Amino acid sequence: TQLLEQSPQFLSIQEGENLTVYCNSSSVFSSLQWYRQEPGEGPVLLVTVVTGGEVKKLKRLTFQFGDARKDSSLHITAAQPGDTGLYLCAGGSTASKLTFGTGTRLQVTL
Amino acid sequence: DSGVTQTPKHLITATGQRVTLRCSPRSGDLSVYWYQQSLDQGLQFLIQYYNGEERAKGNILERFSAQQFPDLHSELNLSSLELGDSALYFCASSPTSSGGRDEQFFGPGTRLTVL
Repeated sequence: TQLLEQSPQFLSIQEGENLTVYCNSSSVFSSLQWYRQEPGEGPVLLVTVVTGGEVKKLKRLTFQFGDARKDSSLHITAAQPGDTGLYLCAGGSTASKLTFGTGTRLQVTL
Repeated sequence: DSGVTQTPKHLITATGQRVTLRCSPRSGDLSVYWYQQSLDQGLQFLIQYYNGEERAKGNILERFSAQQFPDLHSELNLSSLELGDSALYFCASSPTSSGGRDEQFFGPGTRLTVL
């Protein structure tokens, strides 16, 4: 069974701070996706990384896929209250399904 | 708005009952995925249908079943409901059968409460 562990589980920071969320597994994935979910809504895709070592930037968010394609990180620079939400990583395999991580709940306060 | 619709938004029922959740995928998407999200289990993949055929199965209980109709909408049937089935149920869709690579577009979910 493929498992994706995210850390930290909860994160409460002030506006302007930087943070990093980690997504780790003992399994190799063909792709890694990051989603953000807000209360009462479904997850929304932020980015997909497919190559080991790949780094993608989305404004203040930087995503990295580990060289061995077993782990990933999400770094947010100068967090804003609008970044508040549940961040989920999801590993894709040659099979059809995505395996979702355990989630990181981020709260950014003024 | 993802383009994926789910009904109903909320459902309250009793143990032992049976319910049906409905999902309409984004226009043009052929795959539909069902997920269960609970506080202690996270987002769990249940099942995928592609163009009317079952494509992949996850941690779906035998009491649960799904189907995808010719117009590509899908229904998830939950029977002999137990308290532990209370959760958010999400439907997602994607253009192809490659759920492991495609972006999946999620609906707003159905919150099921079993009393």
